[in-house]
Amino acid sequence: DADVTQTPRNRITKTGKRIMLECSQTKGHDRMYWYRQDPGLGLRLIYYSFDVKDINKGEISDGYSVSRQAQAKFSLSLESAIPNQTALYFCATSDPGTGGNGYTFGSGTRLTVV
Amino acid sequence: AQSVTQLDSQVPVFEEAPVELRCNYSSSVSVYLFWYVQYPNQGLQLLLKYLSGSTLVKSINGFEAEFNKSQTSFHLRKPSVHISDTAEYFCAVCRANSGYALNFGKGTSLLVTP
Repeated sequence: DADVTQTPRNRITKTGKRIMLECSQTKGHDRMYWYRQDPGLGLRLIYYSFDVKDINKGEISDGYSVSRQAQAKFSLSLESAIPNQTALYFCATSDPGTGGNGYTFGSGTRLTVV
Repeated sequence: AQSVTQLDSQVPVFEEAPVELRCNYSSSVSVYLFWYVQYPNQGLQLLLKYLSGSTLVKSINGFEAEFNKSQTSFHLRKPSVHISDTAEYFCAVCRANSGYALNFGKGTSLLVTP
């Protein structure tokens, strides 16, 4: 099994629908992140979490919310999806004990909002 | 705030030619520096990293990058590229006091042709 698992891998949804992207990890890391990737823009940070009780907004958090259900699970929600949220979404974990070295990325979720 | 600038959005190069992908960052404090690679339709893979110590870091597949503090740069080089090096390359930085969140550049698309 992968260290960081994202579900679903692909999703097409309609404008206005609520959708949740899920991320689970077996690395035992406290820190988890959600990024979105758009062509020509690189990856941009949406939210990050230091632990279950610590959630922080990233660069582009508007229109998104997150839930850290457990150390191993970090979900990203789009309350009312819009077409410009069409993107590739990545979850990641990191181990601060390795000085930023220990980043692990999931395989990504490709979301299309029509 | 910190930012990462990848100076070239696309770099076309012939097979066996040398290549340099440029990356500059802005930060007033110490940072950790990374290069990630994304092959077509795949996730992110760590290519190499600079955390401390020797300013020249190397990957197992022939890439190298040099941390230049005075020029705030971390350019990626390879003396002879292969077709299989065709991919998107992302430079990233992170700082301990930003939750170790990676801040990515917009990416450079390397296209290697025969």
